[in-house]
Amino acid sequence: EVQLVESGGGLVQPGGSLRLSCAASGFTFSSYWMSWVRQTPGKGLEWVANIKQDGSEKYYVDSVKGRFTISRDNAKNSLYLQMNSLRVEDTAVYFCARGGVRDQLLCGFWGLGTRVTVSS
Amino acid sequence: DIQMTQSPSTLSASVGDRVTITCRASQSISSWLAWYQQKPGKAPKLLIYKASSLESGVPSRFSGSESGTEFTLTISSLQPDDFATYYCQQYSSYSGTFGQGTKVDIK
Repeated sequence: EVQLVESGGGLVQPGGSLRLSCAASGFTFSSYWMSWVRQTPGKGLEWVANIKQDGSEKYYVDSVKGRFTISRDNAKNSLYLQMNSLRVEDTAVYFCARGGVRDQLLCGFWGLGTRVTVSS
Repeated sequence: DIQMTQSPSTLSASVGDRVTITCRASQSISSWLAWYQQKPGKAPKLLIYKASSLESGVPSRFSGSESGTEFTLTISSLQPDDFATYYCQQYSSYSGTFGQGTKVDIK
């Protein structure tokens, strides 16, 4: 059974940092693109970042470039999102999503998400 | 960035109704369009990919179609389990834009 379990969310002050993790199981993690997608009541679903199977390519939505870093550890079947210089507008539920083997942005399976709240 | 305009934002329907949700892309995305279903407090679930391909395990009452830059999700006979919010997503180019969602609720 495919599973994606996110962790690391919480309450942080503006300008602070958080590191999200996503533990994958039930599939060959190293064969898939992986993404982070966030959801807010106001803006809906927003793709945030993704990473190629071997980590050699990474892409980000403009609003997080220079602040967020996506990474993966295929030996640990884990995906990460390092979030620095957090802003109030980064408040959201963050989902880890499995992409395709070739479809970089398709989200074929999602975790339950972890909530990030940026507030003073 | 490609914009995805989804309509309607809310749809009230009864069990057994035929339901149609539309998504329009601001430019050509070929057939790189996916549909997702999300229930409250749950993760989105992929229903349709490449505009009309049914994801494994998804009931055949769900179908997708396209005409140019307009895409349609149809539920042929709405079931109680289908009351949820539906999103389209273009995955032709970054940033993989989602539509704003359509909430299907009980009439």
